[in-house]
Amino acid sequence: QSVLTQPPSVSAAPGQKVTISCSGSSSNIGNSYVSWYQQLPGTAPKLLIYDNNKRPSGIPDRFSGSKSGTSATLGITGLRTGDEADYYCGTWDASLSAVVFGEGTKLTV
Amino acid sequence: QVQLVESGGGLVKPGGSLRLSCTASGFTFSDFYMTWIRQAPGKGLEWVSYISGTSTFTNYADSVKGRFTISRDNAKSSLYVQMTSLRPEDTAVYYCARATSGSTDAFDFWGQGTMVTVSS
Repeated sequence: QSVLTQPPSVSAAPGQKVTISCSGSSSNIGNSYVSWYQQLPGTAPKLLIYDNNKRPSGIPDRFSGSKSGTSATLGITGLRTGDEADYYCGTWDASLSAVVFGEGTKLTV
Repeated sequence: QVQLVESGGGLVKPGGSLRLSCTASGFTFSDFYMTWIRQAPGKGLEWVSYISGTSTFTNYADSVKGRFTISRDNAKSSLYVQMTSLRPEDTAVYYCARATSGSTDAFDFWGQGTMVTVSS
């Protein structure tokens, strides 16, 4: 059981918007940057968001990140069937002295 | 372009040992923290270990502390993890990943992974 809580699944229609939440505590999200990863079936994870809200080169602005207190949110607009994947949040946990990930959220479009 | 290629996975008996390697290209290897992250079949991501660019700093998940040793050879642009006293719960795809510049907890490039199966 992870210290970061994500919903197991979310769904939305093509073209719509979806948000995925990641809830933690003051020992992790509350005092650290959050990153988000997309894992398409059978592939390695891909970085979508780092430092709470920054997008690496090549990641479209349909993907956005935000953080408030001990929670973070990934937003995806203009959904496409190609966005169907597992999405993970990650951060540093000072109490555990470890990088921690959420359990992942499966997005169905 | 940045590439990370893992190797060394396979089937090993409980209590056995295995050494994974990751060969990097397309960037100045010594400038970045590197990490190992694993994913058990059908499960989520689990961070395993990281190492600083000069090997000065290392850190391990509690689940592998004392059994796994991370190392790197900057001259060969290679990352390693020596795994001993392997357990069935260590069965997973093992990914090597590069930490973003100035970070230890966000990972911008990943290898394709190598499968480790611990079973009798």
